[in-house]
Amino acid sequence: GAGVSQSPSNKVTEKGKDVELRCDPISGHTALYWYRQSLGQGLEFLIYFQGNSAPDKSGLPSDRFSAERTGGSVSTLTIQRTQQEDSAVYLCASSLGYRRGTEAFFGQGTRLTVV
Amino acid sequence: AQSVTQLGSHVSVSEGALVLLRCNYSSSVPPYLFWYVQYPNQGLQLLLKYTTGATLVKGINGFEAEFKKSETSFHLTKPSAHMSDAAEYFCAVILLNRDDKIIFGKGTRLHILP
Repeated sequence: GAGVSQSPSNKVTEKGKDVELRCDPISGHTALYWYRQSLGQGLEFLIYFQGNSAPDKSGLPSDRFSAERTGGSVSTLTIQRTQQEDSAVYLCASSLGYRRGTEAFFGQGTRLTVV
Repeated sequence: AQSVTQLGSHVSVSEGALVLLRCNYSSSVPPYLFWYVQYPNQGLQLLLKYTTGATLVKGINGFEAEFKKSETSFHLTKPSAHMSDAAEYFCAVILLNRDDKIIFGKGTRLHILP
């Protein structure tokens, strides 16, 4: 596709359930990022992929959060045993990487609500 | 240590007045610098970026920013604010002595007063 695609756009889940959030980056983009945006909290870095590997997982809030990327393309962010504090907009972005001096392009996000 | 700092979580300016949003970075090596804008209920889009070359960069919607190495700053300006500029603005950096990670500031919400 022409842009970064995220699905679902909205997700309401019950506390304790697992959720999977999907990101389809722009074709050919080697770098992929996940961020979390909560009201008044700015953009919180979660994890970054270069190809299929994740050089930096430092932003994952707890071991309930995990992410993978396959084929250097699609990425899935999984949250296990969701808690109410996980409610936020989860944003995915992709880029060609800094060596080409390019910016990240963002998807529209997945709004997660844990009830 | 915070790699990018935006001064002021909220800034209010009158329509027609100068817009100045501040961004400072922490790095011994000049990074790549970006400003993104997020309009209400929309995704983030790039306003402008600095990688190399001219330190004054122009972006969309009349915005510009100047990279000042001596001040480790990349402030965003617009000579005359418009109501449509009301949005949240994020400064971001890529630290070239590390990896591809893009680090964002906490954002500044710009309010335009009629």
